[in-house]
Amino acid sequence: KNQVEQSPQSLIILEGKNCTLQCNYTVSPFSNLRWYKQDTGRGPVSLTIMTFSENTKSNGRYTATLDADTKQSSLHITASQLSDSASYICVVSVVGTYKYIFGTGTRLKVLA
Amino acid sequence: DAGVIQSPRHEVTEMGQEVTLRCKPISGHDYLFWYRQTMMRGLELLIYFNNNVPIDDSGMPEDRFSAKMPNASFSTLKIQPSEPRDSAVYFCASTRYFSSESNQPQHFGDGTRLSIL
Repeated sequence: KNQVEQSPQSLIILEGKNCTLQCNYTVSPFSNLRWYKQDTGRGPVSLTIMTFSENTKSNGRYTATLDADTKQSSLHITASQLSDSASYICVVSVVGTYKYIFGTGTRLKVLA
Repeated sequence: DAGVIQSPRHEVTEMGQEVTLRCKPISGHDYLFWYRQTMMRGLELLIYFNNNVPIDDSGMPEDRFSAKMPNASFSTLKIQPSEPRDSAVYFCASTRYFSSESNQPQHFGDGTRLSIL
């Protein structure tokens, strides 16, 4: 069964600290993996998109990594800011289909 | 670029009433998606359109749900009759290209928070 699992479910860190969010998937065959940021009361916004041949992609202070062999991805946030408080959603697509499999997200809270 | 526009932002209604959610996609985007988001299940795809034609509605929960796209700039999601278990946030998204290999992001609206009492 195609699934995407994210951990932790929630995380609290202090402003300025780094953090790493995890995404494990059982989707096969895998095409690409996306990370979205969703602020409270807003729609998700794309952060990164990686194909199976890419193992890292950055967007400012956000760096996503992908290990297609172990079917794991991580999103690393450097020097966190209060505005990073949001939910982060991992999404995986299946080759040859129009199906995107969504994780349930990690809720990040950055405290001053 | 105005982004994807959804209305209303909030809707509270009584069980049994008809609910209509509206979406205006980004101009030039050929694909439009309707999603439902709940705490328990996260984001779920309900239906998507390509060039105004419904392509996959396998995610629509039951016959009480229907969606239309009469033209490239407008879509509706209708629930009739509504039930308390339909309470969720409903998102509309659009993209220019859509496939499993596409590197185009989906652009989401800010959603409609629906509460059925």
